[in-house]
Amino acid sequence: SQTIHQWPATLVQPVGSPLSLECTVEGTSNPNLYWYRQAAGRGLQLLFYSVGIGQISSEVPQNLSASRPQDRQFILSSKKLLLSDSGFYLCAWSSSLGETQYFGPGTRLLVL
Amino acid sequence: GQNIDQPTEMTATEGAIVQINCTYQTSGFNGLFWYQQHAGEAPTFLSYNVLDGLEEKGRFSSFLSRSKGYSYLLLKELQMKDSASYLCAVFRAWSGGGADGLTFGKGTHLIIQP
Repeated sequence: SQTIHQWPATLVQPVGSPLSLECTVEGTSNPNLYWYRQAAGRGLQLLFYSVGIGQISSEVPQNLSASRPQDRQFILSSKKLLLSDSGFYLCAWSSSLGETQYFGPGTRLLVL
Repeated sequence: GQNIDQPTEMTATEGAIVQINCTYQTSGFNGLFWYQQHAGEAPTFLSYNVLDGLEEKGRFSSFLSRSKGYSYLLLKELQMKDSASYLCAVFRAWSGGGADGLTFGKGTHLIIQP
C-alpha cells in the first residue's frame, strides 16, 4: 500500500530564516505530487504541482519554491520566511493516471 | 476566477441526517471531490463525482449537478466522530496547462450534538 510522509510535524521559525519541508511517498512509482497551504480561516491553497523529477508548476507567485530531486521526494523551500508564511502545509500525491489526491500528515509552521 | 461556496458552519444531532451544500464557478471542471478533515489533521478522501447523479458509499452520499454547478454531501445516522470540517474541491485543468489540480472551498465545520 502507498504511504506519504512529511517532516517535520511542527516548526517554529523566525522571520527571515530559511525553510525546508520534505515529503516522501512510498509504494508507488511516478506519482503526481502537490504542495498545499492551509492558513487559519482560509481554504486549502494549491502552491506547487509536479508530474515528474525536475518538473515543477507554480500556481501562485510567492517567496516559496519547490523541488523534486527524486521520483518520490518533494521539497518545499524558502530563502527568507515571512510572517504570512505561517500555516499548515500539506503534501499530497495522486497516481499519474488518477485524480484522487491523498494527503500526508502535514507540517504546522509558525513564523514569529 | 475560481469560486467555491459552502456554508461556514452547521450543527446537527447524533443519529440524524445532514446535507452540506457546495456551489462552484470555475474555469474548467473535471469532477468534484469531498474530503473530511478533523481538527489538526490532514484531509481524508470521501467521494469523487464526475457525472451527474448520486454516489452512495455507506452512510455518506454525494450528489452532483454539472449544469447547476452544485453538489451536496449527505451524511446519515450521524455519529459524534462525524464532527469535522468537510471540504468541497473542484478538479480542474491546471492553469499552466498539462496537468490537473484541486481548488478547495473553505470547508464546512460540522458540529454534532448529542
